Amino acid sequence: DIQMTQSPSSLSASVGDTVTITCRASQTISRDLNWYQQRPGKAPKVLIHAASTLQSGVPSRFSGSGSGADFTLTISSLQSEDFATYYCQQSYEIPRTFGQGTKVEIK
Amino acid sequence: QEQLQESGPGLVKPSQTLSLTCTATGDSITRGSYYWTWIRQPAGKGLEWIGRIYISGSAHYNPSLKSRASISLDTSRTQFSLNLSSVTAADTAVYYCARERELGADYYFDYWGQGTLVTVSS
Repeated sequence: DIQMTQSPSSLSASVGDTVTITCRASQTISRDLNWYQQRPGKAPKVLIHAASTLQSGVPSRFSGSGSGADFTLTISSLQSEDFATYYCQQSYEIPRTFGQGTKVEIK
Repeated sequence: QEQLQESGPGLVKPSQTLSLTCTATGDSITRGSYYWTWIRQPAGKGLEWIGRIYISGSAHYNPSLKSRASISLDTSRTQFSLNLSSVTAADTAVYYCARERELGADYYFDYWGQGTLVTVSS
């Protein structure tokens, strides 16, 4: 299985900050990387697919980059509704695997 | 638009079989380009992919479940189901059904159910 490792596991930030979350795969996965946001008690919601394609309806302050094994999710000008947990997920092979999550908390 | 809704018992005894159904409100379950998936999340932990099924009936499972999982599809009822046998407390989790969309070479989970908590306990 492909192992996905996110860093940091948690971070504290303020409204208006720019936040960067990284995700590293245990092998190259081309650009087969998706990002999800999960608010407490809710199902995950896709933000970015294919490493950098913004899902329809997702605010443009979310962006993704990377290829191969290293990827980044950036949230510019953090809003109150962005405080949540973020997961990366590889779609390169079966079984699909997720990172352990990054919790973004209010400073 | 697609909506997914999980249903099934919230409590299962150890060694028994966990059975859940996901009902889709749209008609995409009758078309190709989508994989119908089960994912679970133990309390306070991350997401684990259980398996998926295609309209052809072809299914794939997470080897970590050691062949305990089985997914079936009923397009006439726009439902797909999960059976997980020989459950233990380690199978206690929120179970989500989700649709994995195939867009060229791009695959991602674009619709999710709200999730249903299943507790394994005697």
